[in-house]
Amino acid sequence: GAVVSQHPSWVICKSGTSVKIECRSLDFQATTMFWYRQFPKQSLMLMATSNEGSKATYEQGVEKDKFLINHASLTLSTLTVTSAHPEDSSFYICSASGTDVVYEQYFGPGTRLTVT
Amino acid sequence: EDQVTQSPEALRLQEGESSSLNCSYTVSGLRGLFWYRQDPGKGPEFLFTLYSAGEEKEKERLKATLTKKESFLHITAPKPEDSATYLCAVRQNAGGTSYGKLTFGQGTILTVHP
Repeated sequence: GAVVSQHPSWVICKSGTSVKIECRSLDFQATTMFWYRQFPKQSLMLMATSNEGSKATYEQGVEKDKFLINHASLTLSTLTVTSAHPEDSSFYICSASGTDVVYEQYFGPGTRLTVT
Repeated sequence: EDQVTQSPEALRLQEGESSSLNCSYTVSGLRGLFWYRQDPGKGPEFLFTLYSAGEEKEKERLKATLTKKESFLHITAPKPEDSATYLCAVRQNAGGTSYGKLTFGQGTILTVHP
């Protein structure tokens, strides 16, 4: 149980385009989803927290107009990187926590974004 | 501000050589200390949650313990497949809700040689 999926697993896009990453909780309802980014050989950096049906809460220094987060249902959250630039290239990971898996956060497999 | 420090940064063991990883933390209102395993290019895999000092949890060759200031992840007779980065994270009290954000340490890269 407690499986989280992400799609796509990797994506290459051109500078200036937008990319959408999906995060789904497959076997539980995710009250809250989190989006992280991870640079090589570094730990996870929380970007934002989203609750179903509410606006996301962004961490300090994260541009909310660049990283659009939508949590429209209890099983789906999306992260859209708008007008992507090479410095946005990173490993993006989502996690989910729900009322029936109280206190634990389960992570998706991650999405490797490369902006050329 | 919450702080999580993991040591050592990297640990190389021979197969069967037991050892421990350390996670020191400072947080007001701890609402869980978490251990994850992360393989290269993958998302973290949940291992344990500890809530109170004195608590211990075990899974196969891994055992996690918790005190008021630190947690240890003990690895008994490790195998090469235990090689991974082990991440520690703490969750602060978030007003009684279940979704307080996690603060991660930098991780310990474990390599187990056959």
